Amino acid sequence: DQQVKQNSPSLSVQEGRISILNCDYTNSMFDYFLWYKKYPAEGPTFLISISSIKDKNEDGRFTVFLNKSAKHLSLHIVPSQPGDSAVYFCAAKVYNTDKLIFGTGTRLQVFP
Amino acid sequence: NAGVTQTPKFQVLKTGQSMTLQCAQDMNHEYMSWYRQDPGMGLRLIHYSVGAGITDQGEVPNGYNVSRSTTEDFPLRLLSAAPSQTSVYFCASSYGTGQTEAFFGQGTRLTVV
Repeated sequence: DQQVKQNSPSLSVQEGRISILNCDYTNSMFDYFLWYKKYPAEGPTFLISISSIKDKNEDGRFTVFLNKSAKHLSLHIVPSQPGDSAVYFCAAKVYNTDKLIFGTGTRLQVFP
Repeated sequence: NAGVTQTPKFQVLKTGQSMTLQCAQDMNHEYMSWYRQDPGMGLRLIHYSVGAGITDQGEVPNGYNVSRSTTEDFPLRLLSAAPSQTSVYFCASSYGTGQTEAFFGQGTRLTVV
């Protein structure tokens, strides 16, 4: 059973607008949630994370929101840029370990 | 600063052949792991290690072996390759403190024919 789910396989957004990527999880034994970005033929690179005791974390154009009651997190990118076009993976870190459980990914395309 | 280095980048195997995917990191990370990425499946954990001499299974361990004789290296062995093992494989490492992100290698694209 998929513990971390990204239900939207793709998202298309105009440059300058907001991109919102969503992620749901089913297990409460996670202490951090992370977003990774992946370009073709490259490995995933870390983007931003949030502790399970927080509800928001911001880093420049990227903000992650966590709704623990709904077991839902989202990544907001404002403003979106063409260089943001990539696959975004949501990951949940198992409590007190470095073990990451990944979602299936959302392909973001930012068009001019 | 090399980070996480995977070799080879590409490999084609015949069914039944064996091979080892290499992974090395130079960040003195305790935790290392192997993932496979398949279309529509995301990244799935194969095996992981919390330090030299210690390994454990992830979500999809069947058909793969690992060992961790040094902190730096974490090879993944396919004992008898099958077409279902056609995938892109990623190695990752992190400090193992539970508070930092994982760093990934560039991946190995494996095709089993």
